[in-house]
Amino acid sequence: DTAVSQTPKYLVTQMGNDKSIKCEQNLGHDTMYWYKQDSKKFLKIMFSYNNKELIINETVPNRFSPKSPDKAHLNLHINSLELGDSAVYFCASSQDLRAISYEQYFGPGTRLTVT
Amino acid sequence: SQKIEQNSEALNIQEGKTATLTCNYTNYSPAYLQWYRQDPGRGPVFLLLIRENEKEKRKERLKVTFDTTLKQSLFHITASQPADSATYLCALGHRDDKIIFGKGTRLHILP
Repeated sequence: DTAVSQTPKYLVTQMGNDKSIKCEQNLGHDTMYWYKQDSKKFLKIMFSYNNKELIINETVPNRFSPKSPDKAHLNLHINSLELGDSAVYFCASSQDLRAISYEQYFGPGTRLTVT
Repeated sequence: SQKIEQNSEALNIQEGKTATLTCNYTNYSPAYLQWYRQDPGRGPVFLLLIRENEKEKRKERLKVTFDTTLKQSLFHITASQPADSATYLCALGHRDDKIIFGKGTRLHILP
């Protein structure tokens, strides 16, 4: 049973395109996150949602738009892709943002390559 | 600005020895600290959490210490095995705030 799943695992696309990454968790968690891990391996939070409500919105370009249709899903849509968007994107979930010390469960990652 | 430093990019340890990884932070007063393991091509996996009022936590061969005066956490793996080879990330967080990850230390356990 996969706890946090992401699709696709690999995404290769050209500059200027629009793409989406999907994430689903079957843990019953209330909070979901998107992280970006760049080539230097820094893992940086982009967004978090708690019960479908946006809680954290870090300084990311507004070309990135998260969408949470329900608390088990958090999708990431990226418009007008740029070379600098190439990275591995991880979805994660945790039990409750208000008790933020709970551990986070990460998906397998989506490696995005923009050419 | 808040900063997390993990001791080195890579650490080589002989099998059977204790591996010790360091996480230092500045300009931050975390409520808790977490350690994660990340294998190549995979997402991080949670290992241990220690809160600001705790000095030490253990889980099987893993031990974490947290010194809020030194602003440092040490992560120990005793009786290390080649299967322990991975990148280990420390992460700090505070109530009602986001968690911040360090860059990680690549640990190689040599057979």
